[in-house]
Amino acid sequence: DVKVTQSSRYLVKRTGEKVFLECVQDMDHENMFWYRQDPGLGLRLIYFSYDVKMKEKGDIPEGYSVSREKKERFSLILESASTNQTSMYLCASGRGNEQFFGPGTRLTVL
Amino acid sequence: KQEVTQIPAALSVPEGENLVLNCSFTDSAIYNLQWFRQDPGKGLTSLLLIQSSQREQTSGRLNASLDKSSGRSTLYIAASQPGDSATYLCAVACGEYGNKLVFGAGTILRVKS
Repeated sequence: DVKVTQSSRYLVKRTGEKVFLECVQDMDHENMFWYRQDPGLGLRLIYFSYDVKMKEKGDIPEGYSVSREKKERFSLILESASTNQTSMYLCASGRGNEQFFGPGTRLTVL
Repeated sequence: KQEVTQIPAALSVPEGENLVLNCSFTDSAIYNLQWFRQDPGKGLTSLLLIQSSQREQTSGRLNASLDKSSGRSTLYIAASQPGDSATYLCAVACGEYGNKLVFGAGTILRVKS
């Protein structure tokens, strides 16, 4: 079974803090993705990566950055968290055009 | 720009009913269409994936159809059970290599016992 894990299920941070969300997959997938999910908006792609040290902007990259130093790990970074970044963050990995999702991290920024 | 719409936004049915969830997309240039299930506060579980060359896929009580030319898919759930209560999301794979998923906002399903 494909396993995608995320470092935290729930996270509470303060405005202006630097926040790291970690995602690890164990299936040697080339592709990894970060989404955020908000009520009524569905999932929106923030960033994705085709390979180690490669990254591409998704539909809503503003306010975020990513890091992929190892194939199995993809990190999402909020350089200076803001209240409008309160959301559910979902990581996915995959090969070709199929993706497998982690359990999500619910981030609250106060 | 690809847009995915799901109708209805919410649905409440008594146990045992057969039901249909609808998904439409604006650009027919897709690699596949996938239906996911999401339980409250949890991640996504893939239910069915239909490649662009296929018309339907079945898994147990679930059947998904795809009409690429008209930009529509349906998820049919037979003999619904309370355990089917969840949010159902539809996503199309598009982009240059088909690895970009565009999601609908989901249908919240409640099956009453």
